[in-house]
Amino acid sequence: KNEVEQSPQNLTAQEGEFITINCSYSVGISALHWLQQHPGGGIVSLFMLSSGKKKHGRLIATINIQEKHSSLHITASHPRDSAVYICAVRRAGTDKLIFGTGTRLQVFP
Amino acid sequence: EPEVTQTPSHQVTQMGQEVILRCVPISNHLYFYWYRQILGQKVEFLVSFYNNEISEKSEIFDDQFSVERPDGSNFTLKIRSTKLEDSAMYFCASKRDRDYEQYFGPGTRLTVT
Repeated sequence: KNEVEQSPQNLTAQEGEFITINCSYSVGISALHWLQQHPGGGIVSLFMLSSGKKKHGRLIATINIQEKHSSLHITASHPRDSAVYICAVRRAGTDKLIFGTGTRLQVFP
Repeated sequence: EPEVTQTPSHQVTQMGQEVILRCVPISNHLYFYWYRQILGQKVEFLVSFYNNEISEKSEIFDDQFSVERPDGSNFTLKIRSTKLEDSAMYFCASKRDRDYEQYFGPGTRLTVT
């Protein structure tokens, strides 16, 4: 079983829709990362969080440590948000990131 | 804005050859990483490097792999004798301190024929 599970694997949306991507993990962690990978392959860090909630523009990330669950929300989605969104956790006591398989998001105009 | 750079962007090599993938981390960063992503699969941790030594490595990072920070700016990943299954995108990342975000380079696509 994967230590980091994401859902859904694929997601399509119309421009303007509210998007939620979920991440569950089974190990103790010290931090959780949300990353964005564009079709060219490059990876951009969106958030790093260890508790609560963070917001950056139209993106919001939340984490519930007790439930071992995090969500990434995109408000007012736009075609340029189309990418693979990856959840990765830093295992407690290590500096090693464990990655989920990613959620492929396509936003249509 | 400072960024992590990687060269080359694409490397094609024959099985059994040695390759060196190069990364220039952000200048005031202290922690360095290599990851790989086989086509269609998830990103996997290879190795972390701090204070001029390996701090952690994965099962993938066997004796065929080595890392070096030869001159205080470059951070290299060497694969001694490449195999077909080493074909992947290799990402370098760096961060300023332990509890900071990682910044990823654009990746080097390695193709072993």
